Amino acid sequence: SSELTQDPAVSVALGQTVTITCQGDSLRSYYASWYQQKPGQAPALVIYDKNNRPSGIPDRFSGSRSGNTASLTIAGARAEDEADYYCNSRDSSGSQLVFGGGTRLTVL
Amino acid sequence: EVQLVESGGAVVQPGGSLRLSCAASGFNFDRYTLHWVRQAPGKGLEWVSLIGWGGGGTSYADSVRGRFTVSRDTGKNSLYLQMNSLRTEDTALYYCVKEATSGWPDLEHWGQGALVTVSS
Repeated sequence: SSELTQDPAVSVALGQTVTITCQGDSLRSYYASWYQQKPGQAPALVIYDKNNRPSGIPDRFSGSRSGNTASLTIAGARAEDEADYYCNSRDSSGSQLVFGGGTRLTVL
Repeated sequence: EVQLVESGGAVVQPGGSLRLSCAASGFNFDRYTLHWVRQAPGKGLEWVSLIGWGGGGTSYADSVRGRFTVSRDTGKNSLYLQMNSLRTEDTALYYCVKEATSGWPDLEHWGQGALVTVSS
């Protein structure tokens, strides 16, 4: 199986824009989905199917991909966006699923 | 409303076995691929296994292949994970997860998890 690499921690000033990245060879063939996890809660899907948001996810969340890197952008970060963020995708064989190691976002 | 409720978590000794169950409701159970995803204490998410809709096709992470078996029962709207030869590194919260209508890797609905502790 292939790997997805994320920065362990990222910080952003309140109201500013932040981008969280996810790198992996499989991303050249498959898109990534993104999840937000707050302490004590199950993960929640925030971006799927390239750049779609489930119902209830604000439009300040967006996704993109370039080459082997997928990105999650949060425009105008709020205090409630402070959480762990994970990307996932299919592996290079397409038969397994793989998660990135997660990025802890701190809103200053 | 989609609901996924895991059960069967327990403390088990290394080498032991355990069966997790997930009761599903609120959607056409037979039409979606279902997954197990785990999270060790203080660690990140790790995909474990999937079973395709209609009972067709299974896949496993390398770390569990040959030890874990995923299955589903359409009549009971339930997903299962049979875990054998358990190791201390299998200690984790195990989530039952339903894919989105767009298919996987989009995992839209998550249960609250079942805690498995492997310890002597």
